[in-house]
Amino acid sequence: IAGITQAPTSQILAAGRRMTLRCTQDMRHNAMYWYRQDLGLGLRLIHYSNTAGTTGKGEVPDGYSVSRANTDDFPLTLASAVPSQTSVYFCASSAGASDTQYFGPGTRLTVL
Amino acid sequence: QKEVEQDPGPLSVPEGAIVSLNCTYSNSAFQYFMWYRQYSRKGPELLMYTYSSGNKEDGRFTAQVDKSSKYISLFIRDSQPSDSATYLCAMINNAGNNRKLIWGLGTSLAVNP
Repeated sequence: IAGITQAPTSQILAAGRRMTLRCTQDMRHNAMYWYRQDLGLGLRLIHYSNTAGTTGKGEVPDGYSVSRANTDDFPLTLASAVPSQTSVYFCASSAGASDTQYFGPGTRLTVL
Repeated sequence: QKEVEQDPGPLSVPEGAIVSLNCTYSNSAFQYFMWYRQYSRKGPELLMYTYSSGNKEDGRFTAQVDKSSKYISLFIRDSQPSDSATYLCAMINNAGNNRKLIWGLGTSLAVNP
């Protein structure tokens, strides 16, 4: 089934630990995105990639890094997790930078 | 002032009611307007996509854009309990290199049987 998969579904993490959230799409979309969604703050863009090999910073990039080695995968890494990074993380993709975005099922991350 | 304003609700209506969900925005350069639906503990899914002013209908859903007033609406006719979700508006300025979706906070809707 075409779409976006994210792993893990949920995770509890100790503060200071390193964590990589995985995202894979099979729609051959050029652009991919990472958002976090928090109550009262809505969806906020963390990082994006308009095409394989390029990445850019979104609205809230601090504490996060991404890479885009190929078209399908766009991992998000928290180098040293902090409690304020407790959130639901969504990966999304679109055919082009201004096209409709399709979302994955999300990863619920709790940092203690 | 946020670029996109959306009343978070919650909005509670009886089954069969007509629902009106709205967003206002401040950037007159926005050209593409979207409505996403998000069920609890799921990712957002695209519901409607419109370009510039006018109406677009898809089944029980109608999206309306009024660029002169910087106001967009989503109407749901004959609302069903399965419509209970959070509805997010999103819009994009397609000019230049900074083509990022700007999101509303979402309106929580409950349709009661």
